[in-house]
Amino acid sequence: GDSVTQMEGPVTLSEEAFLTINCTYTATGYPSLFWYVQYPGEGLQLLLKATKADDKGSNKGFEATYRKETTSFHLEKGSVQVSDSAVYFCALTSGNTGFQKLVFGTGTRLLVSP
Amino acid sequence: SQTIHQWPATLVQPVGSPLSLECTVEGTSNPNLYWYRQAAGRGLQLLFYSVGIGQISSEVPQNLSASRPQDRQFILSSKKLLLSDSGFYLCAWSMGGLGNTIYFGEGSWLTVV
Repeated sequence: GDSVTQMEGPVTLSEEAFLTINCTYTATGYPSLFWYVQYPGEGLQLLLKATKADDKGSNKGFEATYRKETTSFHLEKGSVQVSDSAVYFCALTSGNTGFQKLVFGTGTRLLVSP
Repeated sequence: SQTIHQWPATLVQPVGSPLSLECTVEGTSNPNLYWYRQAAGRGLQLLFYSVGIGQISSEVPQNLSASRPQDRQFILSSKKLLLSDSGFYLCAWSMGGLGNTIYFGEGSWLTVV
């Protein structure tokens, strides 16, 4: 079945460092790809998405490009802040035109220190 | 705009007691509805989904059940909780079709003791 693989965390960075969180996927068809963020004690929030190959999703300084040739959707940010500390989930939509569901990676915890 | 709410936010229940988590969506009609669970230190697992009133699909066999008595209401239940039911439960919704975003509620923390 469809699946998402994320790099294991935690990822520990100093403020203003460059961030990359790797995400690769296996899917039949042409899934849409998502990054969700979960701040401590909260639900999931959509961070960005891309619906077709070569699309770049971006939000709050984060960006990710849908790479069909490498089946990847790596999350990047040029300069992280302490407030970016959270768990980041890569996900894809799986299913037919009648119904789709999200398949998640296991999540990567990011810890940013001042 | 659309909003999703679920409650209660936190609950501690003894083993063998019943459970009812409720979720409602506002500002849209005929949404797809989902229940996910996030166990401690693990990723998110889809438990149930619904494409319409009274239509429930289960992804994994378990001690839980779901119901959709109204278009924008989704309920997660159990008759007798197990310790392994502890976790963070998330309700979510989306519109039908490919590529639509799935939006999550605030989550409910369940601790079974």
